[in-house]
Amino acid sequence: RKEVEQDPGPFNVPEGATVAFNCTYSNSASQSFFWYRQDCRKEPKLLMSVYSSGNEDGRFTAQLNRASQYISLLIRDSKLSDSATYLCVVDYNQGGKLIFGQGTELSVKP
Amino acid sequence: DVKVTQSSRYLVKRTGEKVFLECVQDMDHENMFWYRQDPGLGLRLIYFSYDVKMKEKGDIPEGYSVSREKKERFSLILESASTNQTSMYLCASSDPGLAGEQYFGPGTRLTVT
Repeated sequence: RKEVEQDPGPFNVPEGATVAFNCTYSNSASQSFFWYRQDCRKEPKLLMSVYSSGNEDGRFTAQLNRASQYISLLIRDSKLSDSATYLCVVDYNQGGKLIFGQGTELSVKP
Repeated sequence: DVKVTQSSRYLVKRTGEKVFLECVQDMDHENMFWYRQDPGLGLRLIYFSYDVKMKEKGDIPEGYSVSREKKERFSLILESASTNQTSMYLCASSDPGLAGEQYFGPGTRLTVT
């Protein structure tokens, strides 16, 4: 079983749609959680951290469920520019080593 | 603006050649990482380093070595390139106090023929 699992997609949605991605992790000792975004042929970049109480950044909402060991990312009012691959990332507090999921591809269409 | 640079965007090498991939960061970060990224497999950690002359194996170190002689520079070495090492190689760095935020270089697309 992979340490961090995501549905690879692709998710094809129209502009303005709300879309949600889930991610599960296997190690209950996981400390911190993040979502990264990777545009086509570009490097990954941190999108947002995921806090236990859930957190929001504009149109993006991240939530963590430790009991079920999953993380979610909700994007409201999708824009064309949201098209990218979204990577779920877990930190086991091993000195900076992160575990990346394989990513979920999102394509927002006009 | 923070920056991680990699020596080449595209590289073509022959089987058996020794290959050097260089990575430089200007953020004074202690941590540096080398990943490879392949379709369907995601990012996989090859090696990482917490400090100068320190190195730790990641999940797939076989066939690779690294060197960190200066804080800002982390090199990945393929001792004898093979076709299964054809991949996108990404370098990253982070501050130990903000371990979740890794800054990535633009990547090197290596093709081994």
